[in-house]
Amino acid sequence: AQTVTQSQPEMSVQEAETVTLSCTYDTSESDYYLFWYKQPPSRQMILVIRQEAYKQQNATENRFSVNFQKAAKSFSLKISDSQLGDAAMYFCATGANSKLTFGKGITLSVRP
Amino acid sequence: ETGVTQTPRHLVMGMTNKKSLKCEQHLGHNAMYWYKQSAKKPLELMFVYSLEERVENNSVPSRFSPECPNSSHLFLHLHTLQPEDSALYLCASSQYPGQGGYGYTFGSGTRLTVV
Repeated sequence: AQTVTQSQPEMSVQEAETVTLSCTYDTSESDYYLFWYKQPPSRQMILVIRQEAYKQQNATENRFSVNFQKAAKSFSLKISDSQLGDAAMYFCATGANSKLTFGKGITLSVRP
Repeated sequence: ETGVTQTPRHLVMGMTNKKSLKCEQHLGHNAMYWYKQSAKKPLELMFVYSLEERVENNSVPSRFSPECPNSSHLFLHLHTLQPEDSALYLCASSQYPGQGGYGYTFGSGTRLTVV
């Protein structure tokens, strides 16, 4: 069984600043993956970043990076140099054998 | 056309109506999924199809009936819905099994309102 917890329903960040979105998870799988998805007003879920649980090195994609703490089952997303286009809902998810389990999501607003 | 396409984008239906949601993917994936997204709740997995066979049904009420005629198309047939079924219905596709590390590709969803 897998569960994902995103305890912050909303966050706000000033444009050009850095923000961190929190996520904790639980899984009984030994081989699994972690994801952050972005859902803008267009509603399409877009993959932001993925992390293989067996890799210790934190994943990075341009302005997006994660802080993966496997022992603590924590997987936070850091957005650097925030842009207006980053405003969206962000979902944390864990997956194994192609089955993804999502958190409730967090709404991120970006102040100009 | 590439990606995952869902139609219609919006749907309003009465509780006695019958309607269908359509999903189409052109990514060569062999698995397709229906998710329900309600406000302030995690996405709920409804159905999983792999190679056109249903492999998972997460205790979804029978008023939701999926159909997967081939690996590129997925339908969700709706009948005698309840107002609490109003939600965003998302379709996704992926390679299955074993490549869960690549995640899903999602469509833009159908916003369903039951009146």
